[in-house]
Amino acid sequence: DQQVKQNSPSLSVQEGRISILNCDYTNSMFDYFLWYKKYPAEGPTFLISISSIKDKNEDGRFTVFLNKSAKHLSLHIVPSQPGDSAVYFCAASGTGTYKYIFGTGTRLKVLA
Amino acid sequence: DTAVSQTPKYLVTQMGNDKSIKCEQNLGHDTMYWYKQDSKKFLKIMFSYNNKELIINETVPNRFSPKSPDKAHLNLHINSLELGDSAVYFCASGGGSSYNEQFFGPGTRLTVL
Repeated sequence: DQQVKQNSPSLSVQEGRISILNCDYTNSMFDYFLWYKKYPAEGPTFLISISSIKDKNEDGRFTVFLNKSAKHLSLHIVPSQPGDSAVYFCAASGTGTYKYIFGTGTRLKVLA
Repeated sequence: DTAVSQTPKYLVTQMGNDKSIKCEQNLGHDTMYWYKQDSKKFLKIMFSYNNKELIINETVPNRFSPKSPDKAHLNLHINSLELGDSAVYFCASGGGSSYNEQFFGPGTRLTVL
């Protein structure tokens, strides 16, 4: 039972354009969400997070949007750069659970 | 200045052997984790220790035994390795709350032949 889903295994975007990565979850007890970025042969690195009390969080080129009623979040990268090419994982956690549930990742390729 | 380090990076071994993976963090975090990323790329938590105390054990076979000698180290020992144990294992550390991001090590790719 996959509680966090990233239905697009891959995405290609031209440099300078917007990249939109999507994530859906099923557990309404999740109240904190994160995005991680992973390069080959490296561990995931934290990118941005959002609490369920917000619907948007922005950090530079990265913005995460949360739609609680749809149980959906998305990561927008504007403008996309070739260095953004990586696998992006979304993760979710609930109060007091001490653990994250990860999606299966979306491979983003930014074309120069 | 590596924040979370793991050794070895690659591990190739025969079925039935026992092996260990070491993890160390210098971030001063109280909580450490082991994750497994299988061939389908699922990243699933296995264990979590908070101040050397086990707080999460996700129904992992008891052939897997985490050991935390102090809060900066969390090692993973695997007995009687099986083909299905082949995966990438990631160690991570964090503040321990579900609202803190976790910092991951580079991973250990285990191949069981």
